[in-house]
Amino acid sequence: NAGVMQNPRHLVRRRGQEARLRCSPMKGHSHVYWYRQLPEEGLKFMVYLQKENIIDESGMPKERFSAEFPKEGPSILRIQQVVRGDSAAYFCASSPSRTQQETQYFGPGTRLLVL
Amino acid sequence: LAKTTQPISMDSYEGQEVNITCSHNNIATNDYITWYQQFPSQGPRFIIQGYKTKVTNEVASLFIPADRKSSTLSLPRVSLSDTAVYYCLVALGSGNTGKLIFGQGTTLQVKP
Repeated sequence: NAGVMQNPRHLVRRRGQEARLRCSPMKGHSHVYWYRQLPEEGLKFMVYLQKENIIDESGMPKERFSAEFPKEGPSILRIQQVVRGDSAAYFCASSPSRTQQETQYFGPGTRLLVL
Repeated sequence: LAKTTQPISMDSYEGQEVNITCSHNNIATNDYITWYQQFPSQGPRFIIQGYKTKVTNEVASLFIPADRKSSTLSLPRVSLSDTAVYYCLVALGSGNTGKLIFGQGTTLQVKP
């Protein structure tokens, strides 16, 4: 059973460009979470999605950031008009359900560098 | 929201037992305590989870006193490869959407 997959692993963008980060959850998992980790800091929750629904986006910046988890295909975290402060590691996690007893499995992350 | 407090860093030597204590004074009745491990340039990895008393798996043990206001992760006979950041998490109570709240974690440095 393949783990959580994220691509690309590394992404370089210039200020003002768009960044698209993809996450394929583990097989059988329908709950996806995105976290951001700034250099030398812990992970911060961004958004929680189920298939075709955003359940909790309380950690998402109000502008430029959006996320989706379509019926078919991977979950996408989209950052429009990137700025240098967006440089960070973005991790996706998945779980089969949302109860807190359920372990979240993390992907390897996408490291975004904004020049 | 149950906030956690744990030491910023710890040093140990190979073969020693390491105990990392986490305080969570405001833990709610139905909160679970979960520990994750993160190596540089990797995503966090689940280590162990518990509700009360003691939990043991092939990697670690988790000790939780009766009042549940703290917990201790115990790593037996650490090796250099155990050098990592260890996060103690306490999920939200009822109505939890499942999101994990990470603190700064404890950076464990294992020396030869």
